[in-house]
Amino acid sequence: RKEVEQDPGPFNVPEGATVAFNCTYSNSASQSFFWYRQDCRKEPKLLMSVYSSGNEDGRFTAQLNRASQYISLLIRDSKLSDSATYLCVADNNAGNMLTFGGGTRLMVKP
Amino acid sequence: NAGVTQTPKFQVLKTGQSMTLQCAQDMNHNSMYWYRQDPGMGLRLIYYSASEGTTDKGEVPNGYNVSRLNKREFSLRLESAAPSQTSVYFCASSPEHRSTNEKLFFGSGTQLSVL
Repeated sequence: RKEVEQDPGPFNVPEGATVAFNCTYSNSASQSFFWYRQDCRKEPKLLMSVYSSGNEDGRFTAQLNRASQYISLLIRDSKLSDSATYLCVADNNAGNMLTFGGGTRLMVKP
Repeated sequence: NAGVTQTPKFQVLKTGQSMTLQCAQDMNHNSMYWYRQDPGMGLRLIYYSASEGTTDKGEVPNGYNVSRLNKREFSLRLESAAPSQTSVYFCASSPEHRSTNEKLFFGSGTQLSVL
């Protein structure tokens, strides 16, 4: 089982839609969680950290569910510019590095 | 402010050839990393340097060596390239390793093909 798993998608949504991605992690002791965004043929960039209490940044909301070991990313009022791959990140089993999921591809259509 | 700069952007090697990927950051970060990204596999950590003078193996270190030349620079060397090393390589840096401040800043990547 992969340490961090994501549905690869693609998620095809119309502009203005709300879309949510989940990501599951296997290490119950993981402490750090992040969402990164990666545009096609570009480097990943930090989108937001995920805190236990959840956090919101404009149209983006991240949640952590420790009991079920998943994190989620909610995007409201999707824009064409939100089209990208979203990478979920968590501590690994050894606790000495971050592990990336395979990414979820989002395509926002006009 | 350039951030993380890695070179080259593209490279084609023949099996058995060697090469070094260069990476430099100008953000005064303590920690630096080398990742590879393959379709469907996500980013996998090859080696990291938590601080100047230290290096450690990541998830997939076989076939690679690294050098933390100084605080700014962290190079990745392939001594004898193999087709399995065809991938996109990303260098990254962060202010501190394994802390709440561990947010990664990535270079623009190197597309490496080994024939």
